[in-house]
Amino acid sequence: AQSVTQLGSHVSVSEGALVLLRCNYSSSVPPYLFWYVQYPNQGLQLLLKYTSAATLVKGINDFEAEFKKSETSFHLTKPSAHMSDAAEYFCAVTEGFQKLVFGTGTRLLVSP
Amino acid sequence: DGGITQSPKYLFRKEGQNVTLSCEQNLNHDAMYWYRQDPGQGLRLIYYSQIVNDFQKGDIAEGYSVSREKKESFPLTVTSAQKNPTAFYLCASSMELAGTDTQYFGPGTRLTVL
Repeated sequence: AQSVTQLGSHVSVSEGALVLLRCNYSSSVPPYLFWYVQYPNQGLQLLLKYTSAATLVKGINDFEAEFKKSETSFHLTKPSAHMSDAAEYFCAVTEGFQKLVFGTGTRLLVSP
Repeated sequence: DGGITQSPKYLFRKEGQNVTLSCEQNLNHDAMYWYRQDPGQGLRLIYYSQIVNDFQKGDIAEGYSVSREKKESFPLTVTSAQKNPTAFYLCASSMELAGTDTQYFGPGTRLTVL
C-alpha cells in the first residue's frame, strides 16, 4: 500500500526566506501526487498536483514542487515566504483511482 | 459560486447519541468523500461514494454510516458505536473516482463529545 512521509511536523522560516517542505512517498506504480494547504479551522485547498506530465509543477501563490522518481520525493518550495503562508501543508498520493493517502502534515511558521 | 458546504461548523454531542453531519455540493461532481482529521495524524478516509445510491467503506468506517440519495448530498452519521468521535470532519468531492481528479474540500465540522 502506498504511504506518504512528511519530514518535520513543524518548519519555521523568516519572512522572505526560502520555504522547503519535504515529502517522500512509497508506491509500486507511478503515482499521482498532491500538495494541499489548510488554514486554521478550514478545509483543504489544492496547491498543486503531479499527474505524470512535467516533473516540475507550478501551483498557486508561487509554490512549486518537483517530482523526483529516483528519490521518491515531491518536495514543496517557495522562493520567498510571506506571513500569509503560515498554515498546515499536506502531501498526498494516489495510485490509479485509489483513495488519497495523506501525510501527517507540516505546520509552517513564518516570523517577521 | 460553486462549492461544498458543511453544517454545522461546530457540533456537541453527549455520549450515546447519534449525530448527522451535512455535506452538500453544487459542483455537479459524481464522487464524494468523508475524512476524519485528528491532530498529528493527517486525514483518514471514512466513506466514499462514486455515484448516487452507492458508497464504499474507507479505512476507518466502524461506527459511521452514510447515505447517497441525491448527487449533491452525502450526509455522515456518527453513531454511538464510534468510541472516540471527537475530531474535525471534512467532506470532499471530485468529478470522478479517479486518481488524477482533484478533490475539493468543504470547510469542515468540528465534533466534540461531552
